[in-house]
Amino acid sequence: AQSVAQPEDQVNVAEGNPLTVKCTYSVSGNPYLFWYVQYPNRGLQFLLKYITGDNLVKGSYGFEAEFNKSQTSFHLKKPSALVSDSALYFCAVRDTTDSWGKFQFGAGTQVVVTP
Amino acid sequence: GAGVSQTPSNKVTEKGKYVELRCDPISGHTALYWYRQSLGQGPEFLIYFQGTGAADDSGLPNDRFFAVRPEGSVSTLKIQRTERGDSAVYLCASSLTPGVDEKLFFGSGTQLSVL
Repeated sequence: AQSVAQPEDQVNVAEGNPLTVKCTYSVSGNPYLFWYVQYPNRGLQFLLKYITGDNLVKGSYGFEAEFNKSQTSFHLKKPSALVSDSALYFCAVRDTTDSWGKFQFGAGTQVVVTP
Repeated sequence: GAGVSQTPSNKVTEKGKYVELRCDPISGHTALYWYRQSLGQGPEFLIYFQGTGAADDSGLPNDRFFAVRPEGSVSTLKIQRTERGDSAVYLCASSLTPGVDEKLFFGSGTQLSVL
């Protein structure tokens, strides 16, 4: 069984400040971890993924995420937020013991970046 | 086309009616996924196709839901005897070979409203 938790419904940050969006997971096997972003009236867009290797993963639009196995976390980070980063962010996991197509998504975190 | 296309973008129907939702994946993508997103929630897995066959349909909520992909490209999600609880955004995604490239490309979704 797999599950994902995004503990914050909303994150508010001022433009130029660091942005962190939290995600923790639970899997039976090993995790494949992902972040997706959803802008209003648009489909989910891939940001980055962790499959194996370096725990720090860099993705699109200056975002990065760190895989922490001991804390079962995969927090999304950006050193300096932009107003255009305001969107809905989803963390997702696929358990390697489950079918290839079955991704579990978190409930999402709304990011609001103020000028 | 350039991306995953879903039609219609909006569908309003009456309780008890039959609906079909169409997904046209990115050309060359062998895997196709259907997810359902309710208001305030993350996408919920329904079914996943590898080629023409349903590799995992464990997320379909009951036997009123059925999906096909007869030629390994376009897919149709079919819902019989619709209920008000079926109201949600139905998302389609496609990808290259799962297990090799785990990046999903999502369509903009079909908003289904059952009155």
